[in-house]
Amino acid sequence: GENVEQHPSTLSVQEGDSAVIKCTYSDSASNYFPWYKQELGKRPQLIIDIRSNVGEKKDQRIAVTLNKTAKHFSLHITETQPEDSAVYFCAAGGDKIIFGKGTRLHILP
Amino acid sequence: GAVVSQHPSRVICKSGTSVKIECRSLDFQATTMFWYRQFPKQSLMLMATSNEGSKATYEQGVEKDKFLINHASLTLSTLTVTSAHPEDSSFYICSASPVWGYTFGSGTRLTVV
Repeated sequence: GENVEQHPSTLSVQEGDSAVIKCTYSDSASNYFPWYKQELGKRPQLIIDIRSNVGEKKDQRIAVTLNKTAKHFSLHITETQPEDSAVYFCAAGGDKIIFGKGTRLHILP
Repeated sequence: GAVVSQHPSRVICKSGTSVKIECRSLDFQATTMFWYRQFPKQSLMLMATSNEGSKATYEQGVEKDKFLINHASLTLSTLTVTSAHPEDSSFYICSASPVWGYTFGSGTRLTVV
């Protein structure tokens, strides 16, 4: 089955700087790669997703890149703001999705 | 947009009792729903895939006799935690896939005392 690795587990960046979170997956059949932001005790919120026929996708300050050959994908957040502080999860799959272990992002003032 | 409703949001039960959690797709039909469990400061772990009109598919290591799943209609899946014990205390979240992506319920915080 699918196995998703996510790094780093914790990330601290100065407000205004960029943050990058990386994930790798194992199943070459996976074709859907979403990223979620989760507040404590709340449901995961989709922030961006990408399908395997696309290499990069951007939505304002957030971008995701996908390298199918290497089986890795990354989340890029530019011009970070205090409200970006949260836990972020990557996931991979198709008919079902498997989550990475998460990254706790701290935006430092 | 696609909405998944989950109830109850919180439940406290005594050890040895059973608890039922409901997951409903409000504005779309879901032939497949998914149940996840999340322990504090950990990730969402897929427990099982709920299939309308047929048996659920459980992930490796998940006890199917302990976590009973029923998906009797195109809009409702239920998860019953049987003979609950304190180690079953967790955050349970359901998910369904409308035309695009996955939509999550608001989760159920289960505490077994």
